[in-house]
Amino acid sequence: EAQVTQNPRYLITVTGKKLTVTCSQNMNHEYMSWYRQDPGLGLRQIYYSMNVEVTDKGDVPEGYKVSRKEKRNFPLILESPSPNQTSLYFCASSAVAYTRETQYFGPGTRLLVL
Amino acid sequence: DQQVKQNSPSLSVQEGRISILNCDYTNSMFDYFLWYKKYPAEGPTFLISISSIKDKNEDGRFTVFLNKSAKHLSLHIVPSQPGDSAVYFCAASGTGTASKLTFGTGTRLQVTL
Repeated sequence: EAQVTQNPRYLITVTGKKLTVTCSQNMNHEYMSWYRQDPGLGLRQIYYSMNVEVTDKGDVPEGYKVSRKEKRNFPLILESPSPNQTSLYFCASSAVAYTRETQYFGPGTRLLVL
Repeated sequence: DQQVKQNSPSLSVQEGRISILNCDYTNSMFDYFLWYKKYPAEGPTFLISISSIKDKNEDGRFTVFLNKSAKHLSLHIVPSQPGDSAVYFCAASGTGTASKLTFGTGTRLQVTL
């Protein structure tokens, strides 16, 4: 089944404790992206990747890192989480970068930073 | 600066009636618009899209209308069904940044029996 998976789905952590949220897609998609969803703000793009080893900042990249060492995986790293990073996070992918290809979203990761 | 706005956080419609969800945008460079639907505990799923060269696109019960001069689009669902109850996000992308989507804040639609 074609899908985007995220792990963990739920995470409670404390300020400053490094964490990684994994994202994997099995569709051989070029483009991958991370979003965060907050009340009253919709979905905002954090980072995106056009292909392996090609990543760039989105609209709200502060406090986050990403890497794209393989085509299928696009982990989101919070080196020193803070309470303002409490949010619902979505990973998405689409077949070809620079096109209007439909983006497919993962199920989301709900993060609480205490 | 919210470039894509959905001014109605929620909407309640009776089953069988028409649901109309609205979206406004400010960026003149946007030329492609999409609607995504999101159920609780799931990621958004693509519903329907429209290019700026058109003013209407239909897919079954779903129709999206685009008014470029007003920078406004709307999603019509006819007839509304209880399974349509979800949060609907409007999104937009521009020429040269085709993969980048800018989302609105979402409208929660409740279809009542």
